[in-house]
Amino acid sequence: KQEVTQIPAALSVPEGENLVLNCSFTDSAIYNLQWFRQDPGKGLTSLLLIQSSQREQTSGRLNASLDKSSGRSTLYIAASQPGDSATYLCAVRRRGSLTQGGSEKLVFGKGMKLTVNP
Amino acid sequence: SAVISQKPSRDICQRGTSLTIQCQVDSQVTMMFWYRQQPGQSLTLIATANQGSEATYESGFVIDKFPISRPNLTFSTLTVSNMSPEDSSIYLCSARVFGNEQFFGPGTRLTVL
Repeated sequence: KQEVTQIPAALSVPEGENLVLNCSFTDSAIYNLQWFRQDPGKGLTSLLLIQSSQREQTSGRLNASLDKSSGRSTLYIAASQPGDSATYLCAVRRRGSLTQGGSEKLVFGKGMKLTVNP
Repeated sequence: SAVISQKPSRDICQRGTSLTIQCQVDSQVTMMFWYRQQPGQSLTLIATANQGSEATYESGFVIDKFPISRPNLTFSTLTVSNMSPEDSSIYLCSARVFGNEQFFGPGTRLTVL
Protein backbone atom coordinates (compact mmCIF):
# COMPACT_ATOMS: atom_id res chain seq x y z
CA LYS A 1 0.00 0.00 0.00
CA GLN A 2 1.40 3.38 -1.00
CA GLU A 3 1.92 5.84 1.84
CA VAL A 4 2.95 9.46 1.41
CA THR A 5 4.58 11.40 4.23
CA GLN A 6 5.29 15.10 4.56
CA ILE A 7 7.47 16.28 7.41
CA PRO A 8 7.26 18.68 9.14
CA ALA A 9 3.53 19.26 9.37
CA ALA A 10 4.06 22.99 9.74
CA LEU A 11 6.80 25.54 9.09
CA SER A 12 7.04 29.24 9.90
CA VAL A 13 9.79 31.32 8.29
CA PRO A 14 10.66 34.97 7.70
CA GLU A 15 10.13 36.45 4.29
CA GLY A 16 12.98 35.98 1.79
CA GLU A 17 14.17 32.56 2.86
CA ASN A 18 14.71 29.75 0.39
CA LEU A 19 12.64 26.76 1.43
CA VAL A 20 12.75 23.02 0.90
CA LEU A 21 9.56 21.02 1.43
CA ASN A 22 9.94 17.27 1.68
CA CYS A 23 7.74 14.42 0.51
CA SER A 24 8.47 10.71 0.83
CA PHE A 25 6.59 7.71 -0.53
CA THR A 26 6.90 4.02 0.21
CA ASP A 27 6.34 2.45 -3.23
CA SER A 28 8.71 3.64 -5.95
CA ALA A 29 6.51 2.24 -8.74
CA ILE A 30 4.83 5.55 -9.42
CA TYR A 31 3.38 7.00 -12.61
CA ASN A 32 3.81 10.61 -11.59
CA LEU A 33 3.97 12.97 -8.62
CA GLN A 34 2.13 16.23 -8.23
CA TRP A 35 2.54 19.17 -5.85
CA PHE A 36 -0.45 21.28 -4.87
CA ARG A 37 -1.12 24.27 -2.67
CA GLN A 38 -4.31 24.86 -0.77
CA ASP A 39 -5.35 28.17 0.71
CA PRO A 40 -7.69 28.11 3.72
CA GLY A 41 -11.23 27.13 2.75
CA LYS A 42 -10.30 26.73 -0.90
CA GLY A 43 -9.69 23.98 -3.40
CA LEU A 44 -6.29 22.71 -4.51
CA THR A 45 -4.11 24.53 -7.00
CA SER A 46 -1.77 22.38 -9.06
CA LEU A 47 1.81 23.65 -8.84
CA LEU A 48 3.98 21.10 -10.60
CA LEU A 49 3.60 17.66 -12.14
CA ILE A 50 6.63 15.38 -12.47
CA GLN A 51 6.33 12.28 -14.62
CA SER A 52 8.15 9.19 -13.41
CA SER A 53 10.73 9.56 -16.21
CA GLN A 54 11.61 13.11 -15.14
CA ARG A 55 13.91 14.26 -12.39
CA GLU A 56 12.67 17.82 -11.94
CA GLN A 57 10.21 20.48 -13.04
CA THR A 58 10.40 24.24 -12.65
CA SER A 59 7.79 26.97 -12.62
CA GLY A 60 8.83 30.48 -11.64
CA ARG A 61 10.24 30.41 -8.12
CA LEU A 62 9.26 26.77 -7.66
CA ASN A 63 11.38 23.75 -8.46
CA ALA A 64 10.35 20.19 -7.75
CA SER A 65 12.67 17.22 -7.88
CA LEU A 66 11.96 13.51 -7.93
CA ASP A 67 14.15 10.61 -6.83
CA LYS A 68 12.11 7.47 -7.36
CA SER A 69 14.75 5.06 -6.11
CA SER A 70 14.84 6.68 -2.71
CA GLY A 71 11.11 7.46 -2.67
CA ARG A 72 11.56 11.21 -2.26
CA SER A 73 10.50 14.48 -3.78
CA THR A 74 11.36 18.00 -2.74
CA LEU A 75 9.67 21.28 -3.55
CA TYR A 76 12.06 24.21 -3.50
CA ILE A 77 10.63 27.69 -3.07
CA ALA A 78 13.04 30.50 -3.77
CA ALA A 79 12.86 33.87 -2.02
CA SER A 80 9.68 33.09 -0.10
CA GLN A 81 6.94 35.72 0.17
CA PRO A 82 3.96 36.12 2.51
CA GLY A 83 1.73 35.17 -0.43
CA ASP A 84 3.34 31.73 -0.39
CA SER A 85 1.62 31.03 2.93
CA ALA A 86 -0.63 28.02 2.36
CA THR A 87 -0.77 24.27 2.89
CA TYR A 88 1.36 22.34 0.42
CA LEU A 89 0.35 18.80 -0.51
CA CYS A 90 2.28 16.12 -2.29
CA ALA A 91 0.44 13.34 -4.14
CA VAL A 92 1.63 10.30 -6.07
CA ARG A 93 -0.18 8.31 -8.71
CA ARG A 94 0.72 4.67 -8.69
CA ARG A 95 1.90 2.87 -11.78
CA GLY A 96 -0.32 0.04 -12.90
CA SER A 97 -2.89 0.95 -10.30
CA LEU A 98 -5.87 -0.22 -12.29
CA THR A 99 -7.81 -1.79 -9.46
CA GLN A 100 -11.22 -3.31 -9.78
CA GLY A 101 -13.33 -0.86 -11.68
CA GLY A 102 -10.32 0.94 -13.13
CA SER A 103 -9.67 3.56 -10.48
CA GLU A 104 -6.23 5.18 -10.74
CA LYS A 105 -6.13 7.37 -7.73
CA LEU A 106 -3.74 9.92 -6.34
CA VAL A 107 -2.45 9.15 -2.87
CA PHE A 108 -2.01 12.32 -0.82
CA GLY A 109 0.25 13.25 2.03
CA LYS A 110 -1.27 15.12 4.95
CA GLY A 111 0.26 18.38 3.82
CA MET A 112 2.62 20.95 5.27
CA LYS A 113 1.29 24.27 6.48
CA LEU A 114 3.69 27.06 5.52
CA THR A 115 3.60 30.51 7.07
CA VAL A 116 5.87 33.18 5.63
CA ASN A 117 6.10 36.16 7.94
CA PRO A 118 6.68 39.67 6.58
CA SER B 1 -5.17 22.70 -18.06
CA ALA B 2 -8.75 22.59 -16.83
CA VAL B 3 -10.92 25.03 -14.95
CA ILE B 4 -13.46 23.38 -12.66
CA SER B 5 -16.50 25.05 -11.17
CA GLN B 6 -18.74 23.70 -8.43
CA LYS B 7 -22.18 24.66 -7.24
CA PRO B 8 -23.10 25.43 -4.52
CA SER B 9 -19.96 26.84 -2.94
CA ARG B 10 -21.41 26.27 0.50
CA ASP B 11 -24.60 25.16 2.16
CA ILE B 12 -26.10 24.58 5.56
CA CYS B 13 -28.48 21.64 5.67
CA GLN B 14 -30.71 19.89 8.13
CA ARG B 15 -30.13 16.36 9.32
CA GLY B 16 -31.87 13.76 7.14
CA THR B 17 -31.99 15.84 3.98
CA SER B 18 -29.94 15.44 0.78
CA LEU B 19 -27.76 17.84 -1.18
CA THR B 20 -26.62 17.54 -4.78
CA ILE B 21 -23.34 19.17 -5.76
CA GLN B 22 -22.67 19.99 -9.39
CA CYS B 23 -19.26 19.98 -11.08
CA GLN B 24 -18.54 21.45 -14.50
CA VAL B 25 -15.20 21.29 -16.32
CA ASP B 26 -14.35 23.71 -19.12
CA SER B 27 -12.69 21.07 -21.31
CA GLN B 28 -12.87 17.36 -22.03
CA VAL B 29 -11.09 15.29 -19.43
CA THR B 30 -10.18 11.64 -19.09
CA MET B 31 -11.36 11.04 -15.55
CA MET B 32 -13.41 12.82 -12.88
CA PHE B 33 -13.26 12.24 -9.15
CA TRP B 34 -14.99 13.27 -5.95
CA TYR B 35 -13.06 13.86 -2.73
CA ARG B 36 -13.97 14.73 0.82
CA GLN B 37 -11.83 16.82 3.13
CA GLN B 38 -12.81 16.88 6.77
CA PRO B 39 -11.64 19.74 8.98
CA GLY B 40 -7.88 19.73 9.42
CA GLN B 41 -7.46 16.57 7.37
CA SER B 42 -6.06 15.67 3.98
CA LEU B 43 -8.18 14.52 1.07
CA THR B 44 -10.07 11.24 0.94
CA LEU B 45 -11.23 9.87 -2.40
CA ILE B 46 -14.94 9.04 -2.41
CA ALA B 47 -15.27 7.68 -5.93
CA THR B 48 -14.30 7.90 -9.56
CA ALA B 49 -17.13 9.18 -11.72
CA ASN B 50 -17.41 7.09 -14.87
CA GLN B 51 -19.16 8.43 -17.93
CA GLY B 52 -22.31 6.53 -18.71
CA SER B 53 -21.81 3.87 -16.06
CA GLU B 54 -21.84 3.44 -12.33
CA ALA B 55 -19.17 5.21 -10.32
CA THR B 56 -16.31 3.29 -8.73
CA TYR B 57 -16.43 3.74 -4.96
CA GLU B 58 -13.56 3.56 -2.51
CA SER B 59 -13.69 1.45 0.59
CA GLY B 60 -16.03 2.96 3.13
CA PHE B 61 -18.22 4.79 0.63
CA VAL B 62 -21.41 3.39 -0.87
CA ILE B 63 -23.69 4.37 -3.71
CA ASP B 64 -26.78 4.68 -1.53
CA LYS B 65 -25.11 7.37 0.55
CA PHE B 66 -23.16 9.12 -2.23
CA PRO B 67 -24.89 8.59 -5.58
CA ILE B 68 -22.84 10.02 -8.45
CA SER B 69 -23.76 10.78 -12.03
CA ARG B 70 -21.60 11.68 -15.01
CA PRO B 71 -23.83 12.09 -18.04
CA ASN B 72 -21.07 13.47 -20.29
CA LEU B 73 -17.33 14.12 -20.39
CA THR B 74 -17.42 17.47 -18.62
CA PHE B 75 -20.18 17.30 -16.00
CA SER B 76 -20.77 15.30 -12.83
CA THR B 77 -22.92 15.45 -9.73
CA LEU B 78 -22.45 14.09 -6.22
CA THR B 79 -25.40 13.71 -3.88
CA VAL B 80 -24.90 13.45 -0.15
CA SER B 81 -27.97 11.55 1.07
CA ASN B 82 -29.70 11.35 4.42
CA MET B 83 -27.15 13.72 5.90
CA SER B 84 -25.87 13.69 9.46
CA PRO B 85 -23.50 16.13 11.20
CA GLU B 86 -20.65 13.71 10.45
CA ASP B 87 -21.07 14.56 6.75
CA SER B 88 -19.98 18.13 7.41
CA SER B 89 -16.93 18.52 5.18
CA ILE B 90 -15.57 20.17 2.10
CA TYR B 91 -16.45 18.18 -1.01
CA LEU B 92 -14.08 18.60 -3.94
CA CYS B 93 -14.54 17.70 -7.57
CA SER B 94 -11.39 16.81 -9.50
CA ALA B 95 -10.55 16.05 -13.11
CA ARG B 96 -7.58 14.60 -14.92
CA VAL B 97 -6.60 15.94 -18.32
CA PHE B 98 -4.97 14.06 -21.18
CA GLY B 99 -1.50 15.12 -20.01
CA ASN B 100 -2.24 13.34 -16.71
CA GLU B 101 -2.21 16.47 -14.58
CA GLN B 102 -5.08 16.55 -12.10
CA PHE B 103 -7.05 19.68 -11.23
CA PHE B 104 -9.48 20.51 -8.48
CA GLY B 105 -12.55 22.63 -8.13
CA PRO B 106 -12.96 25.28 -5.40
CA GLY B 107 -14.91 22.90 -3.20
CA THR B 108 -18.34 22.87 -1.59
CA ARG B 109 -18.37 23.55 2.12
CA LEU B 110 -21.20 21.58 3.69
CA THR B 111 -22.46 22.05 7.24
CA VAL B 112 -25.10 19.67 8.56
CA LEU B 113 -27.03 20.74 11.64
